[in-house]
Amino acid sequence: QVQLQESGPGLVKPSQTLSLTCTVFGGSIGRGDYYWSWIRQPPGKGLEWIGYTYYSGSTYYNPSLLGRVSISMDTSDNQFFLKLNSVTAADTAVYFCARAAGWYGKAFDYWGPGALVTVPS
Amino acid sequence: QSALTQPASVSGSPGQSVTISCSGTATDVGGYNYVSWYQHHPGTAPKLIIYQVNSRPSGVSNRFSGSKSGNTASLTISGLQAEDEAYYYCSSYTSSSISVFGGGTKLTVL
Repeated sequence: QVQLQESGPGLVKPSQTLSLTCTVFGGSIGRGDYYWSWIRQPPGKGLEWIGYTYYSGSTYYNPSLLGRVSISMDTSDNQFFLKLNSVTAADTAVYFCARAAGWYGKAFDYWGPGALVTVPS
Repeated sequence: QSALTQPASVSGSPGQSVTISCSGTATDVGGYNYVSWYQHHPGTAPKLIIYQVNSRPSGVSNRFSGSKSGNTASLTISGLQAEDEAYYYCSSYTSSSISVFGGGTKLTVL
């Protein structure tokens, strides 16, 4: 059974960099037709796709975050990472890591419990 | 890439059926059979309930069904139960090789 767990600071100052780690248990992130993803939900709002990294290392990002976002992976530790630069209060959200399976039509089949990151205004 | 369009809220009584729509464009919903649906109870992780328009993952009730016509996908929940009260989100793969979510629909079971 695949499990994902987000970790990282819960408070980030404005203009600094938000950094989160997702640790994957029960499956290797370096194999298979999987897209390792970050998704966020601002308070009182809906889900927003941030981006994903493919097991080959290719990355894809939400155009609205281009220039500020970076997703990378470390297959030796079975982790992948989110970095979001120059944060503002609008980046306050619960951040989820998730797996999208190619054979599921890139549906997100496993999710972490989510991590709240607050950027004070 | 704009978010997919969903109604803000729907409601139904126990035992009834409700349908939630998800409107996109020819470059996302209409262009691929890669529409998925998620059930989200606040404070928990979203749960995949439909993938590839109309397929259910193992363990998901057959009261949940999906369909698509043109640029609009739909989720139907039959035999409404109290535990179905939640937020529902659609998602689609797009021609830009990225994913997009709908704005979410709050389902209230009366």
